[in-house]
This record gives sequence, structure tokens and C-alpha cells, in this order.
Amino acid sequence: NAGVMQNPRHLVRRRGQEARLRCSPMKGHSHVYWYRQLPEEGLKFMVYLQKENIIDESGMPKERFSAEFPKEGPSILRIQQVVRGDSAAYFCASSSPNPGQGGPDTQYFGPGTRLTVL
Amino acid sequence: EDQVTQSPEALRLQEGESSSLNCSYTVSGLRGLFWYRQDPGKGPEFLFTLYSAGEEKEKERLKATLTKKESFLHITAPKPEDSATYLCAAQKTSYDKVIFGPGTSLSVIP
Repeated sequence: NAGVMQNPRHLVRRRGQEARLRCSPMKGHSHVYWYRQLPEEGLKFMVYLQKENIIDESGMPKERFSAEFPKEGPSILRIQQVVRGDSAAYFCASSSPNPGQGGPDTQYFGPGTRLTVL
Repeated sequence: EDQVTQSPEALRLQEGESSSLNCSYTVSGLRGLFWYRQDPGKGPEFLFTLYSAGEEKEKERLKATLTKKESFLHITAPKPEDSATYLCAAQKTSYDKVIFGPGTSLSVIP
């Protein structure tokens, strides 16, 4: 049973370029979350999505950032015109409202994408 | 405002020296309280979910407990491989975002 997959694991972009981060949830999971983590800081919620719907994007900057979770394929976090302050680790998590090993709504995390903006 | 805090910020233990990590939450109508372990450069690894006050769960040297305002992660006779950052998180309802605490960085010295 594959866990949450994220790619790429490392991404280097120059200022002004676009970054696309991908997340494939665990099998059977329909809820996806994106978090950002800066060095020595905690996880900061960005956005919560279900298939074709954004449920809560209160943690996502209004400009340059967008997220989607299409009917088919992975969830995408897109950062346009990246700046140095976007450098961070971005984690994706998935969950199911149905009972599972950890109980309903337990989030399982991927390995993260480390974005470096030069 | 919904909030999750953790203490201490950092904890250094000798191998075999048992201790507890604290997680305090102010979340009305708690649906679930989660504990994770995070190693450097990796994603958080799920440990426990607690749903109601009085609930306890155990896994190897770890035991998590929950009250109406706090959760504790007890570490019994820790080993160096238990060194990691331990994260606590709370969720109000199934459609609410999960709020993470800042974590406790645990170092276990041989």
C-alpha cells in the first residue's frame, strides 16, 4: 500500500520562474492538504482540497499561489514568479473521512518537496 | 482563537530517562488530537490519534493520553533512536483544517 507520493523531492528555481509541486494521495484517500515548513519552524497550513474542490485556502497567499486536485491525477501546488522567501519544504498530506488504521481524518504525510529559489 | 502549544520547546534526556511532552490545545469541540514524529529532512510520521478525554494509546516506548485541555506523550526508557521532533495537532470537525503545534525537539543521549 503505497503512501503519499510527492515529486520532485528537490526543486531549484530562479527568481521569477514557476514552481509546480505534485502530490499523489494514499490509495482510497480523497482529501489533500498542503503545508509549508521553514527551517526551525512548525508546519503552516496552506490549503485543503477534495477532488475538484477547494475546501479551505485560508493559509495560502492570495497572490502567486494556487492549488488544484483534479478528478484524475495528482494534486498540484503552483507557485508563480517565485521569490527567495518561497524557499521552504512543502509537505502534502492525505486523509479519508472513513475509519482507517489511524482513525477517520488522520493525515498521512509525504516526504516533502524542498524548494530552493536562487 | 484556536491554538495548539507544546512544551518544552526542546528536551534533552539520557538514554533510559523517562519523561513527558506536553500539548495544550484551545479548540472548541475537539474531533481528534494527533501526534506525529518528524525526523530531519523527512515528512511527519503518524503516531497516534486520540478522540476523547481519558483515552490512551501505546506504541513501543510511547504512550499518548488526552484530557479536555491537554495531551501528553510519555516516553518510557528512551533510546537514541527516539530523537526527533514530536508534533501535536488538533482538529475541530471533519471539514476543519488541522492546527499544528510548534513541536518539541527531543534528543536522547547515549
